[in-house]
Amino acid sequence: GEDVEQSLFLSVREGDSSVINCTYTDSSSTYLYWYKQEPGAGLQLLTYIFSNMDMKQDQRLTVLLNKKDKHLSLRIADTQTGDSAIYFCAAPPYGGATNKLIFGTGTLLAVQP
Amino acid sequence: DTEVTQTPKHLVMGMTNKKSLKCEQHMGHRAMYWYKQKAKKPPELMFVYSYEKLSINESVPSRFSPECPNSSLLNLHLHALQPEDSALYLCASSQVGGASTEAFFGQGTRLTVV
Repeated sequence: GEDVEQSLFLSVREGDSSVINCTYTDSSSTYLYWYKQEPGAGLQLLTYIFSNMDMKQDQRLTVLLNKKDKHLSLRIADTQTGDSAIYFCAAPPYGGATNKLIFGTGTLLAVQP
Repeated sequence: DTEVTQTPKHLVMGMTNKKSLKCEQHMGHRAMYWYKQKAKKPPELMFVYSYEKLSINESVPSRFSPECPNSSLLNLHLHALQPEDSALYLCASSQVGGASTEAFFGQGTRLTVV
């Protein structure tokens, strides 16, 4: 089945760029997603990328996809204290129902003022 | 309206109680989900409903009983839970089929079993 891995923690200073990385095992995933979870809250869909794209930009967010290495990254420009949260990448599993998401382990982003 | 509404936000229940979690969306999504999330862990899928029919049950114990009474509502009935069932329960919805499973999540119900 699909396995999605992320680094556990990232600390940056306010105003710097943050890069959160994710690796996945299933190369047939058609869409890959980034979700944000603030403390005590539900998940907020931030952005997603279709597998035939290398890059997608949405305001301060840039998603890079390297299909050969099965590596996905989320870059947040001009990181603010309000960006402090846990970030999950997610992908549908190979051979599984398209209506099922496998979440990565989550990366806690701490933004220092 | 891109909101998924879950009630209650917090629930404390004893091991002999029966309670229900509720979820509602009005985005016309025909797939609805229950996820369970323990502290510091990613969400884990429990159930998926497609067109109001249960399509995925991830081997969830029978003390959790889902119900989808119509295309906008999803319930999770709880009975005889254990303390280890304490977690954040998240509801989500999405379109059915196609390659995209862009899911919208509710804010969750924080469940504590005592």
